[in-house]
Order: sequence, then structure tokens, then C-alpha cells
Amino acid sequence: GQNIDQPTEMTATEGAIVQINCTYQTSGFNGLFWYQQHAGEAPTFLSYNVLDGLEEKGRFSSFLSRSKGYSYLLLKELQMKDSASYLCAVRFSSNTGKLIFGQGTTLQVKP
Amino acid sequence: GAGVSQSPRYKVAKRGQDVALRCDPISGHVSLFWYQQALGQGPEFLTYFQNEAQLDKSGLPSDRFFAERPEGSVSTLKIQRTQQEDSAVYLCASSLAGFGGLQETQYFGPGTRLLVL
Repeated sequence: GQNIDQPTEMTATEGAIVQINCTYQTSGFNGLFWYQQHAGEAPTFLSYNVLDGLEEKGRFSSFLSRSKGYSYLLLKELQMKDSASYLCAVRFSSNTGKLIFGQGTTLQVKP
Repeated sequence: GAGVSQSPRYKVAKRGQDVALRCDPISGHVSLFWYQQALGQGPEFLTYFQNEAQLDKSGLPSDRFFAERPEGSVSTLKIQRTQQEDSAVYLCASSLAGFGGLQETQYFGPGTRLLVL
């Protein structure tokens, strides 16, 4: 199938760095997205990777290895407001643009 | 508007009642998607429109679910004879284009939280 796997929960300390991993089936891969979702709110776009390597946007970076079917989202200098669910989503070429989402990783940032 | 809007934000329905959920995508966006999100889970795809054409409805869970986008802008998701298992957040997303690159980035609305009693 097209399962997207990511950890259910993570906890980190304010000011620290946290890495959220995501693995997916490599066949037909055509792009990976990370979204942030605060409770009761819309998912908001964080990053997009389609080629191997690291994409950096301020405190957030996202990495992709297509051969390994692996991505991670790196959050630096954690702030309390970063407490949210982080969703990994993959677009497969066989699909009509729809995204297949992982279950989301709930990140709790503690003081 | 600046973003995707959805209405109503909250809907309580009695089992067996019909409901209609509305989505206003970002102006000019060609593609529109509906997703269903259960509590504690990631969104699951329901259906996809490119302009007014419904190109993929493979995710609709039953024939009680129906979606339309008659003029290629606003979309409505209708659920007939609602059941308790339909309780979820229904998210709408739009993207500028359907093919390739960052133009396919989907921007989500705040969702409609449906509770069926």
C-alpha cells in the first residue's frame, strides 16, 4: 500500500532541536509535504521536497532521501508555540494530485 | 478572500439527517480537494476536482457522500442519511494547479467539525 509512517508523539524542551521522521513506500513517489496543525485549526504548509537533500526555511528544515523512502522535519530553537501536530504527506504519481497523510506526530514542547 | 474558507465551522446532526458542507477555495485555484480527518489521525482523501470536473472520487466512503463544484469555484460536500461514523472534521484544500512543483501545494481551510448524534 501507500502507508506513511511517523511517530505518534514526541516531547522536547524549549530552545532545543527536534527531528521528526517519516518513511513511505518509494514506488511512484512524486513529492513530499510537511504541514503543521494546531488543535482545532487547519493544517498549514511548512515545506515541500521532491529532490534529495535539505530544504531550509528559517527554524524549520526538511530532508528527503528518495532511495530510502525517508524524510525528516528538523525544528531548531524550539518555542512553546511549536507544540502542534506535524503531518507528513506524500504525493504519488499514480494519484490525481491527492496527498496520502501519515497519522501525524504530536509534538509537546516543555519549558 | 485570502485563504480557503469553510462553512459551517461546526455542525451537529441527528442520525439520518442530510448535511451540506461548503468550501470557498482561494480565488483562481484550479484544484480542490476534500479530506476527512478523524480525531488523532491524519486527513484521508475523499475527492478531487479540477475546475468543475470531478476527476477522482475514490475516497468517498459510500454512496451517501456526494460532492460538486458546478462553476469551478465553490464546492459542496453533501452527506445523506448521516451515521455516527460520519462524525469527523471535513477539510477542504485548494491548489493553484494540479501538476508539478510548488504550484501543487495544497492550502487548507479550517474545516467543518461534524458531530452526528
